[in-house]
Amino acid sequence: GAVVSQHPSRVICKSGTSVKIECRSLDFQATTMFWYRQFPKQSLMLMATSNEGSKATYEQGVEKDKFLINHASLTLSTLTVTSAHPEDSSFYICSATFTFPSNQPQHFGDGTRLSIL
Amino acid sequence: GDSVTQMEGPVTLSEEAFLTINCTYTATGYPSLFWYVQYPGEGLQLLLKATKADDKGSNKGFEATYRKETTSFHLEKGSVQVSDSAVYFCALRTNNAGNMLTFGGGTRLMVKP
Repeated sequence: GAVVSQHPSRVICKSGTSVKIECRSLDFQATTMFWYRQFPKQSLMLMATSNEGSKATYEQGVEKDKFLINHASLTLSTLTVTSAHPEDSSFYICSATFTFPSNQPQHFGDGTRLSIL
Repeated sequence: GDSVTQMEGPVTLSEEAFLTINCTYTATGYPSLFWYVQYPGEGLQLLLKATKADDKGSNKGFEATYRKETTSFHLEKGSVQVSDSAVYFCALRTNNAGNMLTFGGGTRLMVKP
């Protein structure tokens, strides 16, 4: 089945550091990748949608300069949390899908737990 | 807009008990419906899906039937195991959403031996 690899699984770093999270589709070409944020005991909040080769579409309230998303190839998207602060601590999850043929499901990575000290 | 409502948890059951997690939705058009499961510290895994009315999705003993008349997609399992302890998310996708999912709030299931 389709596999999505997300790396790293856990990051602990100091305030002010920039952190990059990678999301890779291992056995399919992902035309679209999604980035979610999940607070403890809550549902997933969609942050942005990225299509290969174009700029990401951010959801309302998500700072695009704070959360930089790059989707340069059909198998890799990255989320960079710039100048991270404790309030950015969260569980970040990516998912990947392809749009042809239609009605393909999203395949999720295992998530990245980000802790900012 | 589209929305998904799930019963609030946690749901605590003894092993081998019957499970029902309710899910209802509001959507334009004819959405596809999904159940995802999230084990502690992990991402989401697709559990089952149904793409049209009266379809029944099933996997690992779990079932859910797409009921258009009641706009529901309730998750059921006849006999739960401790290993089923996880958070379950109901989700929908409409055909014009570019594969974007709308999630319910999630329901935590705790199964005790």
